[in-house]
Amino acid sequence: AQTVTQSQPEMSVQEAETVTLSCTYDTSESDYYLFWYKQPPSRQMILVIRQEAYKQQNATENRFSVNFQKAAKSFSLKISDSQLGDAAMYFCAYRALMEYGNKLVFGAGTILRVKS
Amino acid sequence: DGGITQSPKYLFRKEGQNVTLSCEQNLNHDAMYWYRQDPGQGLRLIYYSQIVNDFQKGDIAEGYSVSREKKESFPLTVTSAQKNPTAFYLCASKSGGLEQFFGPGTRLTVL
Repeated sequence: AQTVTQSQPEMSVQEAETVTLSCTYDTSESDYYLFWYKQPPSRQMILVIRQEAYKQQNATENRFSVNFQKAAKSFSLKISDSQLGDAAMYFCAYRALMEYGNKLVFGAGTILRVKS
Repeated sequence: DGGITQSPKYLFRKEGQNVTLSCEQNLNHDAMYWYRQDPGQGLRLIYYSQIVNDFQKGDIAEGYSVSREKKESFPLTVTSAQKNPTAFYLCASKSGGLEQFFGPGTRLTVL
C-alpha cells in the first residue's frame, strides 16, 4: 500500500522569507499524481499545487513551487515571500494513476506558522 | 454558486446513538468521498462512490455506512459500532479532472 510521510509536524517562517515543507512517499507505481493541500483555521481544504509524475518539470503556482525527485520519492513544497495568510496546516497527498476510485492518500500534515 | 455543502457544522451525539452527516454537491460530479480527520493523522478515507447506487469501503469503514441514491447526495451514518467517532469529517467530490473538491466539514463530538 502507498504511504505518505511528512516528517515535520510544525514549521515556522518569518514573513517575506522562504520555507520548504518536506514530503516523501512510498509506491511501486510508475505513474501517479502528487498534491499539496492547504487547510487554514477555517478547516476548508484548498488545493495548492499538483504534479504529474510523468512530467519532469517541477510545478509552480505563483509563490508556490515543488521540488519533485521521482527516484528519491520526494515531493517538497517551497513557499516564497511568505505571507500571514499562508499560516495553515499543509497536507501532501498521493494518487495512483490507474487505481479505481481515484483515492487520495494523505500525509499527517505540517503546521506552518508565519511570524510578522 | 456551485459547491459542496455539509451539515450540520457541529454535531453532538450521545453514546450508543446513530447519527447521519449530510453531504450535498451541485457540481454534477460523479465521484464522492468521505474522510475522517484526527489530530496528527491527516485524512483517512472512510467510503467512496464513483457512481449512483454504488460505493466502496475505504481504509476505515468499520462502524460507518453510506448510501448513494442520488448523484448530488452522499450521506454518512456513524453507527453505535464506531468505537471512537469524535472527529472532523470531510466530504469531497470529483469530476473527470485531477482535483477533489472538499466541503467545509462537520465536527462530530460524542458526549
